[in-house]
Amino acid sequence: EVQLVESGGGLVQPGGSLRLSCAASGFTFSSYWMSWVRQAPGKGLEWVANIKQDGSEKYYVDSVKGRFTISRDNAKNSLYLQMNSLRAEDTAVYYCARSIVVPAPLDYWGQGTLVTVSS
Amino acid sequence: QSVLTQPPSVSGAPGQRVTISCTGSSSNIGAGYDVHWYQQLPGTAPKLLIYGNSNRPSGVPDRFSGSKSGTSASLAITGLQAEDEADYYCQSYDSSLGVFGGGTKLTVL
Repeated sequence: EVQLVESGGGLVQPGGSLRLSCAASGFTFSSYWMSWVRQAPGKGLEWVANIKQDGSEKYYVDSVKGRFTISRDNAKNSLYLQMNSLRAEDTAVYYCARSIVVPAPLDYWGQGTLVTVSS
Repeated sequence: QSVLTQPPSVSGAPGQRVTISCTGSSSNIGAGYDVHWYQQLPGTAPKLLIYGNSNRPSGVPDRFSGSKSGTSASLAITGLQAEDEADYYCQSYDSSLGVFGGGTKLTVL
């Protein structure tokens, strides 16, 4: 069974940092593109970043460029999102999701982890 | 402001048919990228509903169908059921990054 389990969310002050993790199981992690998608409270979905199977390509939405870094460890079947210089507008549930290629759909999603940026 | 445009809400009575539109541009849907649709039930993660414009993953009822033309796509739901009440999102790509519609809340009257 495919499982994606996010962790690392929590309350952080503006300007602070947080590292999200996504543990994958039930499939060959190294064969998939992985993505982070976020959803602010009561709002729609926003694609944050994605990373190629071997980590050689990474793409970010403009609003997080220079502040967030996506990475992966295929040996540990894990995806990460390092978030620096956090702002109130980064408050959201962050989901990890997989796709076999770009531009394929996100066929499995994790349950999400909540990040709250507030003083 | 989402890259893809969807109506904020649609509604229909049980048994009726509703459609949800998704409008993009020449850099995403119009560039030839497929459109995918997701269903998000309250308090849960999104679930893939339609992929590649018109294909249903295993387990999705054939009441759900999708189509694409030019820079737009649409999701149709026939034989509305109470359990279909949810938020629906279209998604495509713009270069190598995904883009979403703003979401449409479906209310079953």
